[in-house]
Amino acid sequence: QQQVKQSPQSLIVQKGGISIINCAYENTAFDYFPWYQQFPGKGPALLIAIRPDVSEKKEGRFTISFNKSAKQFSLHIMDSQPGDSATYFCAASMEYGNKLVFGAGTILRVKS
Amino acid sequence: DAGVIQSPRHEVTEMGQEVTLRCKPISGHDYLFWYRQTMMRGLELLIYFNNNVPIDDSGMPEDRFSAKMPNASFSTLKIQPSEPRDSAVYFCATRVSGSYNEQFFGPGTRLTVL
Repeated sequence: QQQVKQSPQSLIVQKGGISIINCAYENTAFDYFPWYQQFPGKGPALLIAIRPDVSEKKEGRFTISFNKSAKQFSLHIMDSQPGDSATYFCAASMEYGNKLVFGAGTILRVKS
Repeated sequence: DAGVIQSPRHEVTEMGQEVTLRCKPISGHDYLFWYRQTMMRGLELLIYFNNNVPIDDSGMPEDRFSAKMPNASFSTLKIQPSEPRDSAVYFCATRVSGSYNEQFFGPGTRLTVL
């Protein structure tokens, strides 16, 4: 029940295309859903996060869509660029909780 | 502002040796987390501290692993004795209380145990 399942494992997108990464969770107590971006040799960096009181959050080219009833959330990267090539992790935790449960990660490659 | 600082960035050691990884949190952050990242298991939380006190060490794999936080500016993760299966990237992350669980990660220490 603590797991966050992430798909796909890897993704190749053409420059200018839309990248979509999906995550699903079981624990309805989860109340905070961040996405982290990790470049090779670096630590994960918070990209964007959402709470379940909204169904969508947009920051620049990055959008989180949240479906509370389905217990699913997804990251959309619009106008994908080669510089977006990285590993993306979804995560979940309880509100003001301290443990982040991470998905397995998605390796995104944007072809120029 | 400096982010989370970890040292060393790379460590190569032989099986049986003691390994000490170090972390300096972001000033003012009162939570500190140690993670391990491997291809097989992904990102795993090992232990976390609040105000220098260990709160949850349920992720520490075995007694060979220990972590301390003697003050608000420094934490160590020690492996003694090290084994090849401990090879991984170890991350330290910190956050400030009162916010959502927004954790800031350091650059990591890549540990190789031969």
